[in-house]
Amino acid sequence: DAGVIQSPRHEVTEMGQEVTLRCKPISGHDYLFWYRQTMMRGLELLIYFNNNVPIDDSGMPEDRFSAKMPNASFSTLKIQPSEPRDSAVYFCASSPAGGAGAYNEQFFGPGTRLTVL
Amino acid sequence: AQTVTQSQPEMSVQEAETVTLSCTYDTSESDYYLFWYKQPPSRQMILVIRQEAYKQQNATENRFSVNFQKAAKSFSLKISDSQLGDAAMYFCAYRRIYGDDKIIFGKGTRLHILP
Repeated sequence: DAGVIQSPRHEVTEMGQEVTLRCKPISGHDYLFWYRQTMMRGLELLIYFNNNVPIDDSGMPEDRFSAKMPNASFSTLKIQPSEPRDSAVYFCASSPAGGAGAYNEQFFGPGTRLTVL
Repeated sequence: AQTVTQSQPEMSVQEAETVTLSCTYDTSESDYYLFWYKQPPSRQMILVIRQEAYKQQNATENRFSVNFQKAAKSFSLKISDSQLGDAAMYFCAYRRIYGDDKIIFGKGTRLHILP
């Protein structure tokens, strides 16, 4: 398996522009997570999905952020309009179904480094 | 709510020596999972080792081992025979077995390996 795939790897945009980050989870995984990592705040969970349904979006910073998962093999995180404070590395991760006996390990993608000028 | 605390923002160790990274957590659950993830300069998050709370035996993966003290809610990572490739940010993490499927991460410890 290719692992979790994220695109683009780097994105530089100007304030006010729309940014779309993409993620392809590992095939067969039921959960998908979006994280943001900054020096100041560390690794923050933004939102996660179970079987394509958003379960917890309490980490989404504000209405400018939205995430979708139209099918089991694709998810997007959109920022509209983008601001300089959104500059960060955004990770997507997936994991198999949970419950007792499963480690629920999360497998991370390589991340997208976003710079908003 | 569950929390994970890593009290050492940075640490250094001489190559070939042993180093221990500390982690404490807070939970009211009796069964859960604990993890150590490594993030090298490449940014890729890599699982180093995992522990099931209901197992008393400490997990070991080659040069990496943990000291799991359930009563003290402590989960430290020991790296033996440190190598230059071990230089990275290390994150301690917690996950419940039932219910909430989120992983709670600590703030991380940056480990430097001195040649």
